[in-house]
Amino acid sequence: DIQMTQSPSSLSASVGERVTITCRASQSISTYLNWYQQKPGKAPKLLIYSASSLQSGVPSRFSGSGSGTDSTLTISSLQPEDFATYYCQQSYSTPVTFGGGTKVEIK
Amino acid sequence: QVQLQESGPGLVKPSETLSLTCTVSGGSISSYYWSWIRQPPGKGLEWIGYLYNNGNTDYNPSLKSRVSISADTSKNQFSLKLSSVTAADTAVYYCARRIAVPSTGLNWLNPWGQGTLVTVSS
Repeated sequence: DIQMTQSPSSLSASVGERVTITCRASQSISTYLNWYQQKPGKAPKLLIYSASSLQSGVPSRFSGSGSGTDSTLTISSLQPEDFATYYCQQSYSTPVTFGGGTKVEIK
Repeated sequence: QVQLQESGPGLVKPSETLSLTCTVSGGSISSYYWSWIRQPPGKGLEWIGYLYNNGNTDYNPSLKSRVSISADTSKNQFSLKLSSVTAADTAVYYCARRIAVPSTGLNWLNPWGQGTLVTVSS
């Protein structure tokens, strides 16, 4: 199985601040990497697919980059509605695996 | 647009079989691949399996001996069965559509259903 490691596991940042979340795969997954946002009591929502493609309707302050084993999700200017947990997911091979999540709190 | 809705019992006894249904609206289940994912309370996401549009399936090896995913095209639904459940199977269960790019194999899950909590307890 491909292990996905996210860091940090949690962070606290101010509105307007730039936030970066990292996801590392245990082997190369090219750009088979997706990012989801999950708010409390809600289903995960697709933000970024194929490492860097912004899902339709998602604000442009969200961006993704990376290839191989390392990928990054960046929120360029954190907004109050971005309070959530973020998960990366590898879709390179089955079993599909997710990172452990990064909880973003608004300072 | 495609919408998914999970349904099924919210309480299952230990050793029994968990059965859930995902009803798809706004699109045909024959046109895509589908997935089940679960999330124990306060924990992360665990992929359960895929149902491909040719009827083939792919399961998480950690659950493979107990899981079955199938489709009812007449009702535009697909279902999950998980046998011999224990308290460790208590989770919110989500269904989702798998979108794939044929030329590259790149794929992702979108959209997701709202999820349904299944508690395993006597």
